[in-house]
Amino acid sequence: QQQVKQSPQSLIVQKGGISIINCAYENTAFDYFPWYQQFPGKGPALLIAIRPDVSEKKEGRFTISFNKSAKQFSLHIMDSQPGDSATYFCAARSSNTGKLIFGQGTTLQVKP
Amino acid sequence: SQTIHQWPATLVQPVGSPLSLECTVEGTSNPNLYWYRQAAGRGLQLLFYSVGIGQISSEVPQNLSASRPQDRQFILSSKKLLLSDSGFYLCAWTVVRLTGQVNTEAFFGQGTRLTVV
Repeated sequence: QQQVKQSPQSLIVQKGGISIINCAYENTAFDYFPWYQQFPGKGPALLIAIRPDVSEKKEGRFTISFNKSAKQFSLHIMDSQPGDSATYFCAARSSNTGKLIFGQGTTLQVKP
Repeated sequence: SQTIHQWPATLVQPVGSPLSLECTVEGTSNPNLYWYRQAAGRGLQLLFYSVGIGQISSEVPQNLSASRPQDRQFILSSKKLLLSDSGFYLCAWTVVRLTGQVNTEAFFGQGTRLTVV
């Protein structure tokens, strides 16, 4: 069963634009929400993460917005650059088991 | 510093042959270890996770098995590969950090591209 749903599946943005990727979760027993960035042929790497007691976290051009009541969280990439082109995964960590459950991934292409 | 080693990087195996992928972690003790599979154009599917030596939880019924013979070693195996076992396999580990708040980061290996022919 898919407990974390991610959209869109793919995204094309012009250089300098804002990239927005959304995720929704079903299980309320999640206590940590990271985003991972994956380049082709490589393993995912942690990009930014948020805890559910915070509504927003910003690190450089990357911002997570978190809506606990709606069980939704999103990644915003400001001033998108061609080097941001990658696959992005949202995830949620189960507070009971510690397992990370991933979304389906979003392939982002930033056009120069 | 903590590192994770996963090998081989690529593997081509015939249908019906056995499989053994190995993952080792350095620089930490008692990590939680995970095997994920990423099919082409799809997300990361959790296959197995382990919270300690000999403790394996299977997430989906399949043709694969996992073992953890040592604290920092995690092995993914199959007795007879199927075509549907093709994919990108990722080993990962998590640690709980205590820095005022409890956070968990997952660190991934570089992955193994398995092609079953």
